[in-house]
Amino acid sequence: AQRVTQPEKLLSVFKGAPVELKCNYSYSGSPELFWYVQYSRQRLQLLLRHISRESIKGFTADLNKGETSFHLKKPFAQEEDSAMYYCALQTGANNLFFGTGTRLTVIP
Amino acid sequence: EAGVTQFPSHSVIEKGQTVTLRCDPISGHDNLYWYRRVMGKEIKFLLHFVKESKQDESGMPNNRFLAERTGGTYSTLKVQPAELEDSGVYFCASSQDTGRGTDTQYFGPGTRLTVL
Repeated sequence: AQRVTQPEKLLSVFKGAPVELKCNYSYSGSPELFWYVQYSRQRLQLLLRHISRESIKGFTADLNKGETSFHLKKPFAQEEDSAMYYCALQTGANNLFFGTGTRLTVIP
Repeated sequence: EAGVTQFPSHSVIEKGQTVTLRCDPISGHDNLYWYRRVMGKEIKFLLHFVKESKQDESGMPNNRFLAERTGGTYSTLKVQPAELEDSGVYFCASSQDTGRGTDTQYFGPGTRLTVL
């Protein structure tokens, strides 16, 4: 069965510091992985997906199949990055399986 | 372009009552999904429509939940009768069907349901 694990419920970093939000997955098939973000009083929105291999708002995430991880990284955190971040896995049926989320707080 | 909309934004009902949640997807999106986040837990898939057909309803918790999408446009999710454990935030999402698979899902703001 598929499973997404985000081990940190809360993460605080200082502005300008690097940030890494961890995500591990379990899935027997070929995974499609995503990071969704929910800013305060806004809806859940897609941040990035592994197949795009893009950098969005300075964030990157690399799929590591050996470690079954998809950690989200940014070299220099900004205050506006404070939000709830969800790692998600999409199966062939197009349904998303989410982790429990990590609340990131960037301290000025 | 309007995004996914959900109504109501918040509903407070008593145990045993009925509640109907509505979702209007982005125009032209054939795929419509319902998800739920119970407090402290992950967002969980409930079901998936392709147009008016239920593609996958494996996440529906029990037969107190009924989802419909008549005409393939908006969808409703009815909970009858509501129980305390149904409290949570219900999200709707929609996506196009490009035929390439893993189309981006766009989420609505959610409906917060509180069952007392």
